[in-house]
Amino acid sequence: AQTVTQSQPEMSVQEAETVTLSCTYDTSESDYYLFWYKQPPSRQMILVIRQEAYKQQNATENRFSVNFQKAAKSFSLKISDSQLGDAAMYFCAYRIFGNEKLTFGTGTRLTIIP
Amino acid sequence: DAMVIQNPRYQVTQFGKPVTLSCSQTLNHNVMYWYQQKSSQAPKLLFHYYDKDFNNEADTPDNFQSRRPNTSFCFLDIRSPGLGDAAMYLCATSGFDGKTNYGYTFGSGTRLTVV
Repeated sequence: AQTVTQSQPEMSVQEAETVTLSCTYDTSESDYYLFWYKQPPSRQMILVIRQEAYKQQNATENRFSVNFQKAAKSFSLKISDSQLGDAAMYFCAYRIFGNEKLTFGTGTRLTIIP
Repeated sequence: DAMVIQNPRYQVTQFGKPVTLSCSQTLNHNVMYWYQQKSSQAPKLLFHYYDKDFNNEADTPDNFQSRRPNTSFCFLDIRSPGLGDAAMYLCATSGFDGKTNYGYTFGSGTRLTVV
């Protein structure tokens, strides 16, 4: 069974600083997608960034970037220049190519300190 | 804007009284999902529809059922809610529209309270 592990239940960062959220996963598949989702308090879950496993280049979306290490099955999220609006629960998620199911990690609650 | 809409946002139901949660989408995605998310936990997939094909997760209780009358709408029926069913219920869709690229689009969720 595929599992996704987020070992940091809570993280905090000073506004404008950089923070990295960790995620590891376990799979025997070679084709899959990895995602980071953000869920602000009482608001909907939104996609932050996505990575295809076949791509060696790390995905980047503005202040958000990932460090994807396929051999180590690691997929960390780096948030640069943290802003108050980044405060949320962050979920790492995994999906096998051709399979509809998205498997989530347990989440990391990120607090931004003004 | 194309989106996934869940109604109601908050639902209070009595123990054992059937309740229906609804989800609609304007994305024309062919896959729709229902997830259950309890406090401070990861969302747990209950079932999903690929077009009209219903796919139930093995550990989803029989108490939970779903209907998808057309592409746009999907319903979650809880036949006899127990206290343990209190949770946030998330509807999501999946499909390639040039933007979401096989990721999911989520609704805002319905928070169910059982009294």
